Amino acid sequence: EAAVTQSPRNKVAVTGGKVTLSCNQTNNHNNMYWYRQDTGHGLRLIHYSYGAGSTEKGDIPDGYKASRPSQENFSLILELATPSQTSVYFCASGERGKRYAEQFFGPGTRLTVL
Amino acid sequence: GDSVTQTEGLVTLTKGLPVMLNCTYQTTYSPFLFWYVQHLNEAPKLLLKSSTDNKRTEHQGFYATLHKSSSSFHLQKSSVQLSDSALYFCALRSVLSGSFNKLTFGAGTRLAVCP
Repeated sequence: EAAVTQSPRNKVAVTGGKVTLSCNQTNNHNNMYWYRQDTGHGLRLIHYSYGAGSTEKGDIPDGYKASRPSQENFSLILELATPSQTSVYFCASGERGKRYAEQFFGPGTRLTVL
Repeated sequence: GDSVTQTEGLVTLTKGLPVMLNCTYQTTYSPFLFWYVQHLNEAPKLLLKSSTDNKRTEHQGFYATLHKSSSSFHLQKSSVQLSDSALYFCALRSVLSGSFNKLTFGAGTRLAVCP
């Protein structure tokens, strides 16, 4: 069974603070993704990665950075958190080069920025 | 660019009744469509996928048919159960994303099944 884990599962941060969300996958997938989920918007892509050392901007990258230090780990960084970044964040992994490639999601991190 | 529209935000049904959740899409290229299901406090999981025109695909009692002529991929089930209560997302794979497999998600439809 595919395994994607995220930490922390819940986080309360203060405006202007730095937040790091971590994701680990044991699927040996090249592709990894960060999404945020908000009511009425579905899942929106923030950043993605093709493999260790690579990060690319998704559809809504402003205010976020990403880091992929290894095949297994992909982090999302909020340097200066704002209340508008309060959301549920999902990490996912998927095979590269396969047309029907399913994305496997982690359990999500609920972030509240006060 | 690519887009996915799910017109219903909430669908409430009594157990045993049929359901259809609407999904329409816009893309310039050949479409790959997916349905993901997310139960409360869980991760989204793949339910169905298709890129073949007019062919029904089925899984766990749910089914959908991609109709390129109407740009639709509606999700159906003949008899809903309490356990089907969840959030359902329709998603479109962007052909231009190549091996990255970028997905564009609809806003989601919450299905609530009552006893």
